[in-house]
Amino acid sequence: EAGVVQSPRYKIIEKKQPVAFWCNPISGHNTLYWYRQNLGQGPELLIRYENEEAVDDSQLPKDRFSAERLKGVDSTLKIQPAELGDSAVYLCASSLDLSLLDSRHSYEQYFGPGTRLTVT
Amino acid sequence: EDQVTQSPEALRLQEGESSSLNCSYTVSGLRGLFWYRQDPGKGPEFLFTLYSAGEEKEKERLKATLTKKESFLHITAPKPEDSATYLCAVQATDYKLSFGAGTTVTVRA
Repeated sequence: EAGVVQSPRYKIIEKKQPVAFWCNPISGHNTLYWYRQNLGQGPELLIRYENEEAVDDSQLPKDRFSAERLKGVDSTLKIQPAELGDSAVYLCASSLDLSLLDSRHSYEQYFGPGTRLTVT
Repeated sequence: EDQVTQSPEALRLQEGESSSLNCSYTVSGLRGLFWYRQDPGKGPEFLFTLYSAGEEKEKERLKATLTKKESFLHITAPKPEDSATYLCAVQATDYKLSFGAGTTVTVRA
């Protein structure tokens, strides 16, 4: 079974330019996450989708970041304009629908390989 | 605010030298504690989920345990292929997953 697919794997852009990342989750996974991982740190959640709905975007810098998941499957994360501090690895993850579980259980998240963004 | 602290930051082991990684956490309401393995240039790979104090999970040379404030990942008789960064994460009842910074393990042959 295919895992989470992300593209591109690497992107180098100049500051103030736009950039977009694409993610295709594992088939059947209704929940999709975007994370940012800085060097030497753990991933930090940017946004979580349940199907097409963004249910947690509290950590997304909305002045320059946007995301969409139009048909409840693929998702795109965009940065416009990029800043030097946006250099990081952007990870996409997916899981089964958490709302199906009680509050004392969870589903593990499966991560894609990430997109390494370098802003110069 | 949920917090996850992992120690040590780095661990160098000789092949066969067993050791433990620590994950201390504070969370408003624990839904689950997760361990992931991350190799350079790759995304985190799921290892274990623990739900309640006293629970233990094992996989090959790895064993994860959970208390009310900490989790340990024990590596028994490690091999060079166990070299990776091990990430601990806690999920609160609001579904938010908070990661620690990880412990980078290097196993020398």
